[in-house]
Order: sequence, then structure tokens, then C-alpha cells
Amino acid sequence: GAGVSQSPSNKVTEKGKDVELRCDPISGHTALYWYRQSLGQGLEFLIYFQGNSAPDKSGLPSDRFSAERTGGSVSTLTIQRTQQEDSAVYLCASSFAGPYEQYFGPGTRLTVT
Amino acid sequence: QKEVEQNSGPLSVPEGAIASLNCTYSDRGSQSFFWYRQYSGKSPELIMSIYSNGDKEDGRFTAQLNKASQYVSLLIRDSQPSDSATYLCAVLGSSNTGKLIFGQGTTLQVKP
Repeated sequence: GAGVSQSPSNKVTEKGKDVELRCDPISGHTALYWYRQSLGQGLEFLIYFQGNSAPDKSGLPSDRFSAERTGGSVSTLTIQRTQQEDSAVYLCASSFAGPYEQYFGPGTRLTVT
Repeated sequence: QKEVEQNSGPLSVPEGAIASLNCTYSDRGSQSFFWYRQYSGKSPELIMSIYSNGDKEDGRFTAQLNKASQYVSLLIRDSQPSDSATYLCAVLGSSNTGKLIFGQGTTLQVKP
């Protein structure tokens, strides 16, 4: 079946602009996760959704970052007033009712100029 | 002390050899452990999960878990050049919220 999909695959934005990243999980997966991967930091957890609620937002780095999930499916990660340190690959993963094996999407490479 | 530690490598093995990748973790309450493979420029791909002490085999891959020693390992038998990648150890925190904590990864090079 179809895997996790993410869009866009690449995004270049100017410092100070807002960006939205989208994730469509594997059909039937109720848990959804956002991570980001940067050269200096490795893979770091951002937020976890079970259904439409977010029991764990502990990884969001600042209040410029927010995420929502509607209909228990698609999720959007929004970064406001982007900064150069936000440049990274943003990865989405999904699993059956968490926390179980997580499957990653292809990621969105964000570059802030 | 990092929560999940791996030797960054590179670990270089000849084709056909056994590659041994190691990982230690600090949260004694962790119950779920995963190995991901990541090719350069690609996203992580789940290759093994292990939840109980002992060995778990899947094809050429064997995951080993020792909770008392807080140690997880991955063995790759009959290594192939296509196994050359970064291997990430991931541990599910004891809070059980779904947060995976990743090691920095070990780069494996399999030489023909």
C-alpha cells in the first residue's frame, strides 16, 4: 500500500516568512509524528498526535512552531517567521495506535535563506 | 551522557562478512527498540524492532537486546555493498508517548 507522503519535497524560503509542511500518513495509522533532522543535531522529535490530539508537544523548539491534525489523518506543521536555524529536513512518521513501529515519509527539505 | 549512544564509525567490513552495530541507552525504563537504515539523502527505513531480551532474527539481520546492560545491537550477516548506509538506533522513551530517541547513527561501509 501507499506509504507516508509529504509535501513539498523541497522548500526554499526567505528568513521571516511562514511555511507550511504537509504530511499524509499511511491509511489506518492513527498515530502521527513529526521529527526533524539536521547535520548538527541528528534526528529530533517534535510532536506526536494520537488521533487529532497531541499528547506530546515537548519537542517543538519554540512558539514559532505549531502543528495540527484534522480528521485523524493529514497533519500540517507550520513554522512562523522562519529563521536560518530552522533549515533542516522535516520528517513525518506514522504508526498504528501508538506507540508502535513508526514508518517515515520521504521528508521535506527546508532551506531558509 | 547522551540518551542513546552509537559509535559514529565509519565501520568498514568486507563483502560477505558480519557487521556488528552497537547501541547503548540511558533510560532503564525503555521497553521498545528499533533499528533504522538511512541511505544518503533518503529518509530512515525501519528494518528491525525488538521488545524482549534476547535475539530476534529476520533474514540476514539479527537484533539483540540486553535490558540489564541497556544494550542493543544489530548484526548483519553476509554483508553486501548495498548495505552501506547509516544505521540509526532508536529507543522509545519510558513515558510511552511515542517519542523515539535516536542515536547519532553508525555509518557502515561494505567493501566489495
